[in-house]
Amino acid sequence: AQKVTQAQTEISVVEKEDVTLDCVYETRDTTYYLFWYKQPPSGELVFLIRRNSFDEQNEISGRYSWNFQKSTSSFNFTITASQVVDSAVYFCALSDKTGANSKLTFGKGITLSVRP
Amino acid sequence: NAGVTQTPKFQVLKTGQSMTLQCAQDMNHNSMYWYRQDPGMGLRLIYYSASEGTTDKGEVPNGYNVSRLNKREFSLRLESAAPSQTSVYFCASSRTSASTGELFFGEGSRLTVL
Repeated sequence: AQKVTQAQTEISVVEKEDVTLDCVYETRDTTYYLFWYKQPPSGELVFLIRRNSFDEQNEISGRYSWNFQKSTSSFNFTITASQVVDSAVYFCALSDKTGANSKLTFGKGITLSVRP
Repeated sequence: NAGVTQTPKFQVLKTGQSMTLQCAQDMNHNSMYWYRQDPGMGLRLIYYSASEGTTDKGEVPNGYNVSRLNKREFSLRLESAAPSQTSVYFCASSRTSASTGELFFGEGSRLTVL
């Protein structure tokens, strides 16, 4: 069975601090995909990144970076120099298989509050 | 650019009443999904439709039915609402499948069952 664990439930930081959101996953598949989604206070979920199981290269997009380590089954998300607009709930997700019938399993989410 | 549109955005029901949540996407996506979001539980999949004409159960399908009316529309029906179905419901779509493409979400429908 697929499982995504986001052990941190709430994180509060002061603006300009760096913050890392942890994600640990479980799967028996050799091919799978990992995702991060952001849910700002407005409520709509926004896609941030997708990473397949064969690509362990870290990715950086502006202030956002992702560290994928298969050895520890982790896909962590770091926000550098956080801003108030980063305040949101962040979800990590795992696809159960590839193909037309694939679907995502989400973690419980991490609520990030960035204080001015 | 409408994307994924859900109606209604808010609804209050009494126990035992029925209702249908409507979802439509204008991106010509093949796959559509219904999730529910509850505090401390994250997003849980109710039903999904990998393509027009097919539907499958997700993690929490009990008490719900779905219809993939056509490629654009995917509705979720509560036949006899229960307080445990108080939640925020999200419809989502993806161009191919959940694994190969990002999900596009609607704004959510907040349902309260008294």
